[in-house]
Amino acid sequence: KNQVEQSPQSLIILEGKNCTLQCNYTVSPFSNLRWYKQDTGRGPVSLTIMTFSENTKSNGRYTATLDADTKQSSLHITASQLSDSASYICVVSAERSGGSNYKLTFGKGTLLTVNP
Amino acid sequence: DSGVTQTPKHLITATGQRVTLRCSPRSGDLSVYWYQQSLDQGLQFLIQYYNGEERAKGNILERFSAQQFPDLHSELNLSSLELGDSALYFCASSGTGWSHAEAFFGQGTRLTVV
Repeated sequence: KNQVEQSPQSLIILEGKNCTLQCNYTVSPFSNLRWYKQDTGRGPVSLTIMTFSENTKSNGRYTATLDADTKQSSLHITASQLSDSASYICVVSAERSGGSNYKLTFGKGTLLTVNP
Repeated sequence: DSGVTQTPKHLITATGQRVTLRCSPRSGDLSVYWYQQSLDQGLQFLIQYYNGEERAKGNILERFSAQQFPDLHSELNLSSLELGDSALYFCASSGTGWSHAEAFFGQGTRLTVV
């Protein structure tokens, strides 16, 4: 069964500190992995999307890594800001046949709180 | 602003009723996706349309249905509503139906069933 597990469930850090969120998946056949940021009550916003051949991708202070062998991804946030307080969702795509036939499996997210 | 518009923003209705949620995708996007997000669950994929045709189905109940119109806007119909249907319903759109295409989410419709 395709699953995406995220850890920790929640995390509290002080402004300016770094943190790393984890995503483990059992989705197959793997197509790509995405990280989304979701502010409370708002729609998710894409941070990164990584395919099998990519092992690191950055978007400003956000850096995602992917190890397709161990089926693990991490999202590292550098020099956190109050506005980073949000839920971070890992989404893995399994491609069934061809690029247009796929299924997305969502993790339940990590709730990050950045305190002053 | 993602360019995806959902209406209404909030909806309160009684059990047993039927509601329609509307989504206008980003200009030029052919693919529309519907998701449900409950308090105790992550985002659950419901259904995807591509250029007017159903492309993929997720955990969508038989009481729920959707369609995409020729102008590419989409509607999600929820009927015989139950308390457990209370959730945030998101619509997303992408330019193509390909798995690597970036999807842009709307701000959601918060449905409360009382």
